[in-house]
Amino acid sequence: EVQLLESGGGLVQPGGSLRLSCATSGFTFNNYAMAWVRQAPGKGLEWVAGISGGGVTTFYADSAKGRFTISRDTSKNTVFVQINSLRAEDTAVYYCARFMAAGGNDYFHDWGRGTLVTVSS
Amino acid sequence: QTVVTQEASFSVSPGGTVTVTCGLNSGSVSTNNYPSWYQQTPGQAPRTLIYNTDTRSSGVPDRFSGSIVGNKAALTITGAQADDECDYYCVLYMGSGIRVFGGGTKLTVL
Repeated sequence: EVQLLESGGGLVQPGGSLRLSCATSGFTFNNYAMAWVRQAPGKGLEWVAGISGGGVTTFYADSAKGRFTISRDTSKNTVFVQINSLRAEDTAVYYCARFMAAGGNDYFHDWGRGTLVTVSS
Repeated sequence: QTVVTQEASFSVSPGGTVTVTCGLNSGSVSTNNYPSWYQQTPGQAPRTLIYNTDTRSSGVPDRFSGSIVGNKAALTITGAQADDECDYYCVLYMGSGIRVFGGGTKLTVL
């Protein structure tokens, strides 16, 4: 069974930094791209960042460029997102997703339950 | 800037049929955008319904179907049930590794 478990969320002051983690199990981690998707309170879903299975290629939404860094650790089957210079508008539930991006596919296949990031003083 | 458009809300009677669409503010949606659809109940993680325009994800009932209608992607629910009442989101691949969610459609079944 595929499992994605996010952690690292919490209350952070504006201007601060946070690193979110997503521990995975149930599949061959190296074979799959991964992504982060966020959802501000009462708002829709927003794709934030993606990383290839090998970790060589990363992609970012315009809203994330410059402040977000996605990475992965093969030895821990874990994907991360580092968020710097946090702003109130970064307040959201952050979901980790296993992404299918090969063989003519392009979609989010599995989802974690999310971790809440609140940016406030 | 790319904007993916969806109806903000829709209402359908139990047993009825509803089609939610997913368009672009500039241009047409095609299979090259790999349209996918996700269902979300408030407070829960999204659930994958449809990918690659019209392929149902594992375990998704066949009353959910995807297609291209005109210049938009479409999600059709046939025989709507009470527990279909939730939010629906589409995603389009825009090239260069960029994916964009639509704003979401809130479906009411009454």
